[in-house]
Amino acid sequence: GAGVSQSPSNKVTEKGKDVELRCDPISGHTALYWYRQRLGQGLEFLIYFQGNSAPDKSGLPSDRFSAERTGESVSTLTIQRTQQEDSAVYLCASSPFPGVQYFGPGTRLTVT
Amino acid sequence: KQEVTQIPAALSVPEGENLVLNCSFTDSAIYNLQWFRQDPGKGLTSLLLIQSSQREQTSGRLNASLDKSSGRSTLYIAASQPGDSATYLCAGVSSGGYQKVTFGTGTKLQVIP
Repeated sequence: GAGVSQSPSNKVTEKGKDVELRCDPISGHTALYWYRQRLGQGLEFLIYFQGNSAPDKSGLPSDRFSAERTGESVSTLTIQRTQQEDSAVYLCASSPFPGVQYFGPGTRLTVT
Repeated sequence: KQEVTQIPAALSVPEGENLVLNCSFTDSAIYNLQWFRQDPGKGLTSLLLIQSSQREQTSGRLNASLDKSSGRSTLYIAASQPGDSATYLCAGVSSGGYQKVTFGTGTKLQVIP
């Protein structure tokens, strides 16, 4: 079946603009994660969704970042008033059970 | 707070060599552990998963083991090939039912033809 998909694959935006990133998880996967990976760095946890439970937002770096997920479907990560330090690859992963993750190809965000 | 160390940070070997990558967790109560590879500019590809009841998994030339008593995992790559060049990441979930996954910082492998 289809894997995790993310769109857009690349996004270039001007500083101060808002951007929205999309993740389509594998069907039936109850959990969904967002990560950020800056150039040459490791993965930075942003947010975690599990079914209809309240999401774990502990990794969001500022209130400019927010994410939504409806049930066990698509998730969107929104970054408001983008800054140059937001430039990174944003990775989404879905999970059928604890500790197993399947990653999408990522969205490369460049803020100019 | 769970922290994951991967050693070495970088490794360069000639083609054909067998090699071992190491991963250690500060909290040894690991529930599941997954090894990934990441090619430059790409997402993560899952290689092997060791679930809570397992100690080892094999796929082709890859073998991963987990010692839960020490919180250490190793990834063994046999007969390395240039196509194995990538960054290898381990990631684990601590026992307790919570799905927060902690990633290591990775080992960058270069296999020289």
